[in-house]
Amino acid sequence: DTGVSQDPRHKITKRGQNVTFRCDPISEHNRLYWYRQTLGQGPEFLTYFQNEAQLEKSRLLSDRFSAERPKGSFSTLEIQRTEQGDSAMYLCASSGQGRTSSYEQYFGPGTRLTVT
Amino acid sequence: SQQGEEDPQALSIQEGENATMNCSYKTSINNLQWYRQNSGRGLVHLILIRSNEREKHSGRLRVTLDTSKKSSSLLITASRAADTASYFCAEETSGSRLTFGEGTQLTVNP
Repeated sequence: DTGVSQDPRHKITKRGQNVTFRCDPISEHNRLYWYRQTLGQGPEFLTYFQNEAQLEKSRLLSDRFSAERPKGSFSTLEIQRTEQGDSAMYLCASSGQGRTSSYEQYFGPGTRLTVT
Repeated sequence: SQQGEEDPQALSIQEGENATMNCSYKTSINNLQWYRQNSGRGLVHLILIRSNEREKHSGRLRVTLDTSKKSSSLLITASRAADTASYFCAEETSGSRLTFGEGTQLTVNP
């Protein structure tokens, strides 16, 4: 399978614990995105990378959240001191260099985080 | 925060009927994309329409874009039970982030 993969698929943690999620994009894609989705809502943008550079971060990304893409391939999203409000589906997407400025994003299956 | 709005929020039709979903947005866009999300699955890209395009087809899908009204519509013809899913429109404004609407839940009854 050459799609976007995410690990783990599910994570249950206690409030105050740190969690880390991993995303492996489609191999030839240079852009990688993180989104968060809560029940009944559309995904909300968190941050994105072009190669290893983090180019944009949403105001939703508080200082408890950090994302890295050290070699321009896989990415990790860490949440420190988790809160119940962090419970959501965390989605990763990747896109490649389009012929124009348009980029189609391909999403992974997501990591569902439950903070108890 | 979500910028787009989809209409209707929920739609229930019989197999074989057509389904139309509408999306409104507020900013200038590079393109508008439609995605489908089945229960328990990730988002699947359906179609992308650029700001200088007015209509696009892909199989049973037809998307229109009216930039003067800042609106788009997705038509699914000859619907099937397997089309049951949530459908989202997403605006791309800067070559990076997508801003999604809240989605339309489509139920196609066999």
